[in-house]
Amino acid sequence: ETGVTQTPRHLVMGMTNKKSLKCEQHLGHNAMYWYKQSAKKPLELMFVYSLEERVENNSVPSRFSPECPNSSHLFLHLHTLQPEDSALYLCASSQDAGLSGANVLTFGAGSRLTVL
Amino acid sequence: GQNIDQPTEMTATEGAIVQINCTYQTSGFNGLFWYQQHAGEAPTFLSYNVLDGLEEKGRFSSFLSRSKGYSYLLLKELQMKDSASYLCAVRDSNYQLIWGAGTKLIIKP
Repeated sequence: ETGVTQTPRHLVMGMTNKKSLKCEQHLGHNAMYWYKQSAKKPLELMFVYSLEERVENNSVPSRFSPECPNSSHLFLHLHTLQPEDSALYLCASSQDAGLSGANVLTFGAGSRLTVL
Repeated sequence: GQNIDQPTEMTATEGAIVQINCTYQTSGFNGLFWYQQHAGEAPTFLSYNVLDGLEEKGRFSSFLSRSKGYSYLLLKELQMKDSASYLCAVRDSNYQLIWGAGTKLIIKP
């Protein structure tokens, strides 16, 4: 496989459930990201990892917990979510988290989350 | 605050030309990106502008004016497969990406 792969593509969960989203990249990139995409709103950056270390957490509620075990894998653990958390969660990767050049993001197709 | 403005939706005809505008107010500027996102799919990179002027890439071109805080994406010889959302994003002085809400482009036969 190439590119950025996200699983599951669709997830329905109750507010008391615990679930996880998975992201895998085969591009040899050193930075990985979680974004939230809600209808008609700009992408919201949630977390950034560079070389497996979290470098940014944009004031995301603790019911979202990221994990980056290695530079190819990223997880988003979900617990006691709210209906307003229903959205498309996009994973992305880039060569690095950094400060030079275009540093283009490669996105996965997303995990569509519905919280009942 | 930082802000990116782009039209919510546009409609164009197959074979025609369409221009999607993006205006921005950000704390500094370190490049502007355009991404294409088909419904249910991943956003994919289209273009990157850091200097003023026009960048052409096949049927797609992107223009930047830093003094005006303005960019546009020009799509020529429109095809039905160009129906998608087009996302504008600016990298600010802290190298943070600020995103617009996207422009949904509908192509009619």
